Amino acid sequence: QQPVQSPQAVILREGEDAVINCSSSKALYSVHWYRQKHGEAPVFLMILLKGGEQKGHEKISASFNEKKQQSSLYLTASQLSYSGTYFCGSLTDSWGKLQFGAGTQVVVTP
Amino acid sequence: SQTIHQWPATLVQPVGSPLSLECTVEGTSNPNLYWYRQAAGRGLQLLFYSVGIGQISSEVPQNLSASRPQDRQFILSSKKLLLSDSGFYLCAVRPGGGAYEQYFGPGTRLTVT
Repeated sequence: QQPVQSPQAVILREGEDAVINCSSSKALYSVHWYRQKHGEAPVFLMILLKGGEQKGHEKISASFNEKKQQSSLYLTASQLSYSGTYFCGSLTDSWGKLQFGAGTQVVVTP
Repeated sequence: SQTIHQWPATLVQPVGSPLSLECTVEGTSNPNLYWYRQAAGRGLQLLFYSVGIGQISSEVPQNLSASRPQDRQFILSSKKLLLSDSGFYLCAVRPGGGAYEQYFGPGTRLTVT
């Protein structure tokens, strides 16, 4: 079951903050976040493991609410380089099969 | 850290022609390997995954197949391409040794004409 991401798109000015949400209807082992620039492969940002372990990347952080099966990605003091499409991937089994959300397009303007 | 190679980078093939895409990995042993497809402007769809040599699991019934002849080699094939097979094909690696992260290769952009 594909996780649901919101919003679909967001436009920011440099220095502004944004939150991207990801929710799943299934119990999650972990949530993975990626950023994809146009024409390129997705780049791994961070993983949030069941049990609360969390990693960060630049000024991007994330939270994981295991009870609600929800994760949020926080873009703080956004930079032009943050532009791209952000995908969350939910891991619901031990084989490592990720189900991806539809993506959130982020545009950061000067 | 691991390095993922995919080739070719781009490919234009006529409908009905065969397909072979290759993914090789360096820097890790016993990885889990995955093939994803991304249609234009869409999300990522898992096609196949493999947890070891010769072990392939299919996620989506279609005219594609996958093989893993070596520990760090993953091949995606088709006998006859369809227009709907066009897309961006991405190989992903979950490194061996208990890692949870997955990393994507550079991808192959396939256009079926």
